[in-house]
Amino acid sequence: QVQLQESGPGLVKPSETLSLTCTVSAGSMSSFYWNWIRQSPGKGLEWIGYSYFSASTNFGSTNDNPSLESRVTISIDTSKNQFSLKLTSVTAADTAVYYCARGFHGLDVWGQGTTVTVSS
Amino acid sequence: EVVMTQSPATLSVSPGERATLSCRASQSVSTNLAWYQQKPGQAPRLLIYGTSIRATGIPDRFSASRSGAEFTLTIGSLQSEDSAVYYCQQYNNRPWTFGQGTKVEI
Repeated sequence: QVQLQESGPGLVKPSETLSLTCTVSAGSMSSFYWNWIRQSPGKGLEWIGYSYFSASTNFGSTNDNPSLESRVTISIDTSKNQFSLKLTSVTAADTAVYYCARGFHGLDVWGQGTTVTVSS
Repeated sequence: EVVMTQSPATLSVSPGERATLSCRASQSVSTNLAWYQQKPGQAPRLLIYGTSIRATGIPDRFSASRSGAEFTLTIGSLQSEDSAVYYCQQYNNRPWTFGQGTKVEI
């Protein structure tokens, strides 16, 4: 059964880059969409973006939320069974619980979430 | 972006009763709508996708439907463990968007 686990710093300074990793256990990453979602009291659940890769076709794609103003990079490392999130130029508004999740037609597997606070 | 509006914000229901939750999309999302359940301190759990298809392992007391731009999640015969916040999410148009949630109190 596929499980996801987020990891990364819980505290990031304003203007710096937030970096998180999601480790995928028990299963291939190929042909799935791998997402990042965040949740804050003020904005509820917000989809950050996804990355997709197919080993059979060697095709990949990424897509992210325009509201994040091109600050997002999501990448997949199939050799480590991980995918990552980088969010640049963070502010206090980026303080949230960050979740990684799998899926396109519904997000069917979620990590437990990791709290990231942006503060000096 | 597509705005998802859920109602009511809070629903208080007695055990064994039925709960009906609504979600309206600001524009067409076809049948590309999912429902999630979230309990305190936990990640959301997928209940329904494709408007009305139950996810693996979801009890059949959870059902969902669509009428035009309005989507409905029905929880039949509520149990204490159904106390949670329920979210709808559209994945028809990027950015994917969630409703603000309906809190179900048993």
